[in-house]
Amino acid sequence: NAGVTQTPKFQVLKTGQSMTLQCAQDMNHNSMYWYRQDPGMGLRLIYYSASEGTTDKGEVPNGYNVSRLNKREFSLRLESAAPSQTSVYFCASSLTQGTNYGYTFGSGTRLTVV
Amino acid sequence: RKEVEQDPGPFNVPEGATVAFNCTYSNSASQSFFWYRQDCRKEPKLLMSVYSSGNEDGRFTAQLNRASQYISLLIRDSKLSDSATYLCVVIRFSGGYNKLIFGAGTRLAVHP
Repeated sequence: NAGVTQTPKFQVLKTGQSMTLQCAQDMNHNSMYWYRQDPGMGLRLIYYSASEGTTDKGEVPNGYNVSRLNKREFSLRLESAAPSQTSVYFCASSLTQGTNYGYTFGSGTRLTVV
Repeated sequence: RKEVEQDPGPFNVPEGATVAFNCTYSNSASQSFFWYRQDCRKEPKLLMSVYSSGNEDGRFTAQLNRASQYISLLIRDSKLSDSATYLCVVIRFSGGYNKLIFGAGTRLAVHP
């Protein structure tokens, strides 16, 4: 029972480089999310996908793009990395984009942009 | 001011102690409430939901006071394994979706 799987776990980028963070869930969840976590800030939503075929911006979408490849997979792309994007990134999923279901998180990607 | 405020701690307590965490939220339109636990360098995991009637799960009790916009988590008989950061989370509908708003977390360290 893998739950939510994120890759890679660690990454160092140079300013201006691009990369894609991968996320897959095997729980047949409809909704998926990308968060970033910075010290003292709490988790902040970057993008979400309420269901397969839809994506929408969250609180901090600038500098990111996403793709809901299928029901299982939701990727996050940084087109031109900046030091301000140094953070821990978490993918999460939930049965529906609803109020009463807990979210399951992946183990995170620690990204450093130098 | 943050929408969800928590005392960052750390709370340093001996094994067996009872410890209480508080959380306040500023938006009265918040609909659902949760506590998550996050171990060092790990992902958040759902600990429990929070209801006005109170919610107990073993040594953990969560309480919601909607009038005061206040959420609490009580841990009785603390164990070393309870050491973690506890995240207060509220959900409200905003911008077309159900938005999870995370507090920055309260760190608990239980020592022998």
